[in-house]
Amino acid sequence: ETGVTQTPRHLVMGMTNKKSLKCEQHLGHNAMYWYKQSAKKPLELMFVYNFKEQTENNSVPSRFSPECPNSSHLFLHLHTLQPEDSALYLCASRPLQGSDYGYTFGSGTRLTVV
Amino acid sequence: AQSVTQLDSQVPVFEEAPVELRCNYSSSVSVYLFWYVQYPNQGLQLLLKYLSGSTLVKGINGFEAEFNKSQTSFHLRKPSVHISDTAEYFCAVSDRERDDKIIFGKGTRLHILP
Repeated sequence: ETGVTQTPRHLVMGMTNKKSLKCEQHLGHNAMYWYKQSAKKPLELMFVYNFKEQTENNSVPSRFSPECPNSSHLFLHLHTLQPEDSALYLCASRPLQGSDYGYTFGSGTRLTVV
Repeated sequence: AQSVTQLDSQVPVFEEAPVELRCNYSSSVSVYLFWYVQYPNQGLQLLLKYLSGSTLVKGINGFEAEFNKSQTSFHLRKPSVHISDTAEYFCAVSDRERDDKIIFGKGTRLHILP
């Protein structure tokens, strides 16, 4: 366990379904991130939250909707996804103060859209 | 904008042999540099990072990397690999001034041959 917990680990959903991915950390970090990892592509940064405020939306389609209710929790709400959205979705967190610039990643949610 | 190039998508190496995974970055500003490892079905784990000071950085599991500013490189090395080092390795960079996100290379898959 890294301290960043993602649930569920695996998710299969139809294109008309609505589901949510959850990320939780109790490391005291105040920045949280969503990344998408597809086969044969670099890790893609999707969203950045600093102190619960969204500071970056990296041209992500509106069928992905993030939510950050507090500094410890981050959600990714999914609706009307496409098969090409199948990927590993990784959550990461880091402290914004201090000299430790390490990002801590969760184990990811493997999403399959059918 | 920063970018990271990992020249080799796959590197096969015999067990107990040395290995070098290459990483070059492009940036107009000063940077922080990272290497992450991803074992099968897991998230990313920090191997080592260069923030400042000595250009030779030692990390976990016997890995080390050397920052070369003139060649804009941050190659990862290990003098003797083990079967347990089989994984994907990602080089990453972040802007030292903004420091709000991390950009990853495409990754290098390390195959350890018996």
